[in-house]
Amino acid sequence: ETGVTQTPRHLVMGMTNKKSLKCEQHLGHNAMYWYKQSAKKPLELMFVYSLEERVENNSVPSRFSPECPNSSHLFLHLHTLQPEDSALYLCASSQDASGLAGGYEQYFGPGTRLTVT
Amino acid sequence: AQKITQTQPGMFVQEKEAVTLDCTYDTSDPSYGLFWYKQPSSGEMIFLIYQGSYDQQNATEGRYSLNFQKARKSANLVISASQLGDSAMYFCAMREGRGGATNKLIFGTGTLLAVQP
Repeated sequence: ETGVTQTPRHLVMGMTNKKSLKCEQHLGHNAMYWYKQSAKKPLELMFVYSLEERVENNSVPSRFSPECPNSSHLFLHLHTLQPEDSALYLCASSQDASGLAGGYEQYFGPGTRLTVT
Repeated sequence: AQKITQTQPGMFVQEKEAVTLDCTYDTSDPSYGLFWYKQPSSGEMIFLIYQGSYDQQNATEGRYSLNFQKARKSANLVISASQLGDSAMYFCAMREGRGGATNKLIFGTGTLLAVQP
């Protein structure tokens, strides 16, 4: 089973649609992340969940709504998006190691390529 | 100011040769971690190597090594014996502070590596 999976891999939606992106991790991690990757820009961290609680929200517009029902699943609910929201949305997971040194690298899924028309 | 700087938008290397991808960083935190990720055209970010700020030796992982020069605030990735499958985008990232719930990674803009036969 691949470490971090994301569905769908590709999504085209109109500005008035509502859709959801799904992420699932099979690594036993307890922290999950949503990133946005736009062309020619660095990855932007959107949300962080640790132990199913949201611990960071990087000034993301309310048309993006995350949900973390358990430590293995993470959703990103989308509604009334704008064309500039078209991007690759990447999910990642890691161990939450508060206060400890170490790598605790994040493992990424393959991403969802979102196009807003 | 940019926290992570990758000055090479694109690089070419001949198969079987070594290549160095540059990364400089900026932080005032004495505790930090540096990461390199590979992103092939499929989109998934693949973790390659990690270097902690207190690590005495340069990190190595197979054909990957990290040339860590703390005083210069540089963390260059060296890929030895390049293979065609190494063609991808490479991102340098930094985590400030000790690993924790946010475990926020700051990414550079990436370097596109093309390995030529």
